[in-house]
Amino acid sequence: GAVVSQHPSWVICKSGTSVKIECRSLDFQATTMFWYRQFPKQSLMLMATSNEGSKATYEQGVEKDKFLINHASLTLSTLTVTSAHPEDSSFYICSARDLGPAGSFDTGELFFGEGSRLTVL
Amino acid sequence: AQSVTQPDIHITVSEGASLELRCNYSYGATPYLFWYVQSPGQGLQLLLKYFSGDTLVQGIKGFEAEFKRSQSSFNLRKPSVHWSDAAEYFCAVGAHLMSSYKLIFGSGTRLLVRP
Repeated sequence: GAVVSQHPSWVICKSGTSVKIECRSLDFQATTMFWYRQFPKQSLMLMATSNEGSKATYEQGVEKDKFLINHASLTLSTLTVTSAHPEDSSFYICSARDLGPAGSFDTGELFFGEGSRLTVL
Repeated sequence: AQSVTQPDIHITVSEGASLELRCNYSYGATPYLFWYVQSPGQGLQLLLKYFSGDTLVQGIKGFEAEFKRSQSSFNLRKPSVHWSDAAEYFCAVGAHLMSSYKLIFGSGTRLLVRP
């Protein structure tokens, strides 16, 4: 199956600093990537859809200026948490959709990264 | 609106016993349906998926799920649970919404396995 890699897997930062998380599709091109946030013992909440070469689409209630998303290439999307505060501490997971070659059947499956745990002190 | 409901927050079963985790969805068209498993502090692993064809889907680790359109359900089953199956299980529906595609997750069910 397709592989998605996230980096870093965990990061600790001071309040007020910015943190960047990278999401890479290793063996396929992803025109669309998705960023999720997961609080402890809760489900995954979609934050935004990252589109290569265009602006990300944010879900209702997600601050665009707080969570900057850049999808500059077909294999890389980045999430930057700006001016991080303790309430931003969470597990962030990215995923990507592999549409396969033209004409191949789309199963709708997303491939997930390993997640990045952010702790803001 | 599209949604996924997992009515059981947590379930405890004895090792070797059978398991069924419930999942109901709300979506106007035929959905893509998925079950994922997550161990503490880890990412998600796909157990199985349904997108068309046979409504009984076989997955990894001995899991299976059945799509029942009339009940809007996609319950996950395993005939004999192993201690290593203890984890959080998420049901998800893939939906095309206004020319975009989203994967929407249920709230999850935590499985505890008694020795």
